[in-house]
Amino acid sequence: DTGVSQNPRHKITKRGQNVTFRCDPISEHNRLYWYRQTLGQGPEFLTYFQNEAQLEKSRLLSDRFSAERPKGSFSTLEIQRTEQGDSAMYLCASSFASTVAQAFFGQGTRLTVV
Amino acid sequence: AQSVTQPDIHITVSEGASLELRCNYSYGATPYLFWYVQSPGQGLQLLLKYFSGDTLVQGIKGFEAEFKRSQSSFNLRKPSVHWSDAAEYFCAVGAGSGGSNYKLTFGKGTLLTVNP
Repeated sequence: DTGVSQNPRHKITKRGQNVTFRCDPISEHNRLYWYRQTLGQGPEFLTYFQNEAQLEKSRLLSDRFSAERPKGSFSTLEIQRTEQGDSAMYLCASSFASTVAQAFFGQGTRLTVV
Repeated sequence: AQSVTQPDIHITVSEGASLELRCNYSYGATPYLFWYVQSPGQGLQLLLKYFSGDTLVQGIKGFEAEFKRSQSSFNLRKPSVHWSDAAEYFCAVGAGSGGSNYKLTFGKGTLLTVNP
């Protein structure tokens, strides 16, 4: 297994367009997390899944954001009607569902809204 | 709610010198604590973690960290820095229902520059 994979690595979009990112976790992991990292800040938790169930969403995840994890495998994060404030690095991570599990991060998708 | 403070935004050290990066956390229960490193344009790599037990934890690349409950600190140290250690370092506390570590709260990071 090659770790957590995210696509695309970079995305430039015009304000108002919709974008979708994909995350392929480590195959044995049943937990999957999305984080957002803006310039000069640490990553901020957005949402997480256990298998196909989305168990928690941060207040940062506005109505324009939606995440899915069909069949408990890969996940997608969609942003509708993008705004310049959505420009950030979107990081995906996965782990086992264990109290002491370590989360492994992907390389992220850098979104630029122009 | 939990929080993490990394007081130093940017630190510069000479290659071969010792390093200490500071981290203070706020969390009501026993914390799960982590240090991650991020190279430019890359994701986060786990250096080490503390869940319980020995308060001095060893990690990869020669790093260690010490958990001090009385000071709410989890400082990262390395006795001799290498040029390849130049990167951004993030301290994080894990929290979630049932004590799981699924939701990480990160500090703002410390950028490490290493001079030859």
